[in-house]
Amino acid sequence: QQPVQSPQAVILREGEDAVINCSSSKALYSVHWYRQKHGEAPVFLMILLKGGEQKGHEKISASFNEKKQQSSLYLTASQLSYSGTYFCGTFRGGQNFVFGPGTRLSVLP
Amino acid sequence: EAGVTQSPTHLIKTRGQQATLRCSPISGHTSVYWYQQALGLGLQFLLWYDEGEERNRGNFPPRFSGRQFPNYSSELNVNALELEDSALYLCASSLAGRLNEQFFGPGTRLTVL
Repeated sequence: QQPVQSPQAVILREGEDAVINCSSSKALYSVHWYRQKHGEAPVFLMILLKGGEQKGHEKISASFNEKKQQSSLYLTASQLSYSGTYFCGTFRGGQNFVFGPGTRLSVLP
Repeated sequence: EAGVTQSPTHLIKTRGQQATLRCSPISGHTSVYWYQQALGLGLQFLLWYDEGEERNRGNFPPRFSGRQFPNYSSELNVNALELEDSALYLCASSLAGRLNEQFFGPGTRLTVL
């Protein structure tokens, strides 16, 4: 019952854009996005809530379509530092936090 | 402000032994989450504690257990260790409520031989 993420992996050149998607078969009330660099702990990027409220880093852009039960993370003008694995997560059954399988992003010079 | 701390950094055990992992949350945070991340895999939810109570547990056997102390620090215990328990165990803390970001500690790398 974990969220589904697409694509599984993406390779970009510096300056290119990317979109990472997160979808669920069950209703989403909030979507959390995290980035994990190799050998490091995940770092919070953004929370999107039902109703349009967002909380996160200014340079990160994301959307949340409640009807489609989808969220998308937009990475524009990518930098080398954007490389890592991006996870979306949500609460299931109100209590159980589940992450998606992750999207591996590689930004090349 | 100090971040989430975990100890030990590395832990090596043999099959059948017990392991105890510790987590100190950010000051003011009352929620603690535990996750298991096997090598190259995603984050699997283990346990969630808030205000000293276990709020929920993931799909793990009962030999994975834990507790949260009055100072909101937490302990994860894994009994009867199996080889497949080898993984990075991450602890995260947040303010109370489900609409707050989680701050992760550096993790404890558990190796079961």
